[in-house]
Amino acid sequence: EPEVTQTPSHQVTQMGQEVILRCVPISNHLYFYWYRQILGQKVEFLVSFYNNEISEKSEIFDDQFSVERPDGSNFTLKIRSTKLEDSAMYFCASKQGLYEQYFGPGTRLTVT
Amino acid sequence: QKEVEQNSGPLSVPEGAIASLNCTYSDRGSQSFFWYRQYSGKSPELIMSIYSNGDKEDGRFTAQLNKASQYVSLLIRDSQPSDSATYLCAVNESGGSNYKLTFGKGTLLTVNP
Repeated sequence: EPEVTQTPSHQVTQMGQEVILRCVPISNHLYFYWYRQILGQKVEFLVSFYNNEISEKSEIFDDQFSVERPDGSNFTLKIRSTKLEDSAMYFCASKQGLYEQYFGPGTRLTVT
Repeated sequence: QKEVEQNSGPLSVPEGAIASLNCTYSDRGSQSFFWYRQYSGKSPELIMSIYSNGDKEDGRFTAQLNKASQYVSLLIRDSQPSDSATYLCAVNESGGSNYKLTFGKGTLLTVNP
């Protein structure tokens, strides 16, 4: 069964460093998303991406964040200058049609 | 601010019992509703979706939707210890085409053998 994959599973970085989180959505899906979940808190929407452009972003998704679909399979989230409060699980999700989103296993980002 | 509310629990049921999980949402225009299961340290796993008023059954799971009351529920019949997890209610907000999900904080379910 096709699934969303994410790498790395765990990333440790120092404050101020850039990180790139990678996702491979399900191959025939058209809509892509990034969510994050701070430990003990709810899953929060960051950004949605469709037709090679951002369709919506949340207040969390400020100028330090960017997304890219560099080729036909990968979908990346870049954080330019990480802060302690960026420590969280980051989930990529994708969907084909109108409704059901499928999540990847997540990347645990630890900023020290 | 559009909200999705769930009782945080924990909800504890004995093995074989019915577990009942509830969710309310604030955006009256919401059109689609989902239940995800999340094991500790893992990602959300889609278990049910429901789009119209009434009940939808899939195996041991039944989702119920009442749009007039802005209420969604999930029933788990014959609960098993492996059902122990946090159950997340998620709602597609109305408007726009991106169909982002708004999540509740989740209800922790413990099924005791």
